[in-house]
Amino acid sequence: DQQVKQNSPSLSVQEGRISILNCDYTNSMFDYFLWYKKYPAEGPTFLISISSIKDKNEDGRFTVFLNKSAKHLSLHIVPSQPGDSAVYFCAASPINTGFQKLVFGTGTRLLVSP
Amino acid sequence: NAGVTQTPKFRVLKTGQSMTLLCAQDMNHEYMYWYRQDPGMGLRLIHYSVGEGTTAKGEVPDGYNVSRLKKQNFLLGLESAAPSQTSVYFCASIKDHTDTQYFGPGTRLTVL
Repeated sequence: DQQVKQNSPSLSVQEGRISILNCDYTNSMFDYFLWYKKYPAEGPTFLISISSIKDKNEDGRFTVFLNKSAKHLSLHIVPSQPGDSAVYFCAASPINTGFQKLVFGTGTRLLVSP
Repeated sequence: NAGVTQTPKFRVLKTGQSMTLLCAQDMNHEYMYWYRQDPGMGLRLIHYSVGEGTTAKGEVPDGYNVSRLKKQNFLLGLESAAPSQTSVYFCASIKDHTDTQYFGPGTRLTVL
């Protein structure tokens, strides 16, 4: 049972436009959400996170939105750059367990063309 | 700081062979994790450790064993490799549960 779902395996966007990556979750115990970015032959790197007490978190060109009632989060990248081309993983964790145990989505491959 | 390093980077095994993957971190992190990544599956947690001398099972622990004898090292062992264990293995570490996980570069393992 996939508790964290990224239904779009790929997304193509032109440079300068907005990229929107989506993620849905089913477990209502999740209260901490993260986005990781992964380039080929490298490990994932942390991008941005949000806790369930917020509905938006911004860091430069990256904004994550959380809709708790819909169990949905999205990552907006504005403006998109060719260097953003990578696989993006959504991850979720129940933070109140005292340690972090992430559940990852299957990833969305973003291609930003010049 | 080297961060999180993994040894080896690539390995090919025959069915039934054993091997150990080494993860090392120099950030004095308490928690360490082993994941596997398969096409279309995302990253799945194999085992994790909340401190030196402790280990616990994750989502897909069968066929693997782990040890955390030193705080900076987390070893993943395959006693009898199977083709189903062909995957890319990632190690991660974290200071505490409010921090973000730092990942190593991965080990690509093929079992023939």
